[in-house]
Amino acid sequence: EVKLQQSGDELVRPGASVKMSCKASGYTFTDYAMHWVKQSPGQGLEWIGTIIPLIDTTSYNQKFKGKATLTADKSSNTAYMELSRLTSEDSAVYYCARGTGSSFDYWGQGVMVTVSS
Amino acid sequence: DIQMTQSPASLSASLGETVTIECRASEDIYSNLAWYQQKPGNSPQLLIYDANSLADGVPSRFSGSGSGTQYSLKINSLQSEDVASYFCQQYNNYPPMYTFGAGTKLELK
Repeated sequence: EVKLQQSGDELVRPGASVKMSCKASGYTFTDYAMHWVKQSPGQGLEWIGTIIPLIDTTSYNQKFKGKATLTADKSSNTAYMELSRLTSEDSAVYYCARGTGSSFDYWGQGVMVTVSS
Repeated sequence: DIQMTQSPASLSASLGETVTIECRASEDIYSNLAWYQQKPGNSPQLLIYDANSLADGVPSRFSGSGSGTQYSLKINSLQSEDVASYFCQQYNNYPPMYTFGAGTKLELK
């Protein structure tokens, strides 16, 4: 069974950074890209970027360049996303999702990030 | 960037009814179109990919169609478990970019 298990919800101060994880199981981690998607009430669903774990290649939505950094650890089948210089606009639910080329067939349960002082 | 216009924003329908949700792309997306269902408190789930291919485990009452810039999701014989939000999503290859529609909230009448 394919499963993407994300880390827990985060409460962070403005200006800080947060790093979240997405542990994959039930498939060969290096066979698929891993994507990250933001969901906020005001902006709906937004694609942040993707990492291809096999070759450690990343692609980002221009909007999130400098905000998000994607990495992957093949030894633990885990993908990571770090968000930097957080503001209230970054408060949202963040999902990891397995990529099939044109769509996302499995999603993690989501991480709620709340940016507040 | 390609924009996706999804309609309607909300929809109320009766059990057993047929429901259609539409997405229009700002330019030709060559059937690189997926549909997702999201129930409150849950992650999105893939329903349709490549405009008209049913994802694994999805009931056959869901179907997708369209080409070029116009796409639709049809739900035949609406069931209570279909109450959810539905999103379309397009993909273009170079540079890689995925864009979602704003969503349709489906409720029971």
